[in-house]
Amino acid sequence: AQTVTQSQPEMSVQEAETVTLSCTYDTSESDYYLFWYKQPPSRQMILVIRQEAYKQQNATENRFSVNFQKAAKSFSLKISDSQLGDAAMYFCAYRSAGTASKLTFGTGTRLQVTL
Amino acid sequence: DAGITQSPRHKVTETGTPVTLRCHQTENHRYMYWYRQDPGHGLRLIHYSYGVKDTDKGEVSDGYSVSRSKTEDFLLTLESATSSQTSVYFCAISGGPQKGEKLFFGSGTQLSVL
Repeated sequence: AQTVTQSQPEMSVQEAETVTLSCTYDTSESDYYLFWYKQPPSRQMILVIRQEAYKQQNATENRFSVNFQKAAKSFSLKISDSQLGDAAMYFCAYRSAGTASKLTFGTGTRLQVTL
Repeated sequence: DAGITQSPRHKVTETGTPVTLRCHQTENHRYMYWYRQDPGHGLRLIHYSYGVKDTDKGEVSDGYSVSRSKTEDFLLTLESATSSQTSVYFCAISGGPQKGEKLFFGSGTQLSVL
């Protein structure tokens, strides 16, 4: 079974600074997807970024980018120019490629953004 | 935003009573999932469906059952609610590989079992 580990329960960053959230995973599969989801106080789960394992290029979405190290099974999220609205719980998730595949989540990292 | 509606948004019930949570989608997606979220555990899969009347268990399925009689509706039933089932329940949908494997979530249902 796949496992996803987020070793930082809480992180803090100053507004306009950069922060990196860590995620590692364990799998024996070669084809899979990795995701970062954001959960603000509204409770809504918002897809931040997605990475396909067979793509070597790191995914980027505006101020959000990932550092995907397949051999090390590491998938960190970098948030640049942090904004107050980035304050939320961030979940890393793994999904096997294929039909009816299920998402396995990490336990989350709570990000605080300070002035 | 994906068209997913969960009902109710909040529910308080007593131990031993049956509870049904509903997930309704307007995206015509094939795959639907029920997750529960608890502090320190992230989100964990309860049950999922890969088509009408096709369902399977997730990692925390004990005490829960599901049904999917139509593409758009996926019901989660707690036959006899227990305090350990107090949680936030999320429904999610996916179009599968053809849709890029993205999972979209509903707004969640806060269930309290007293």
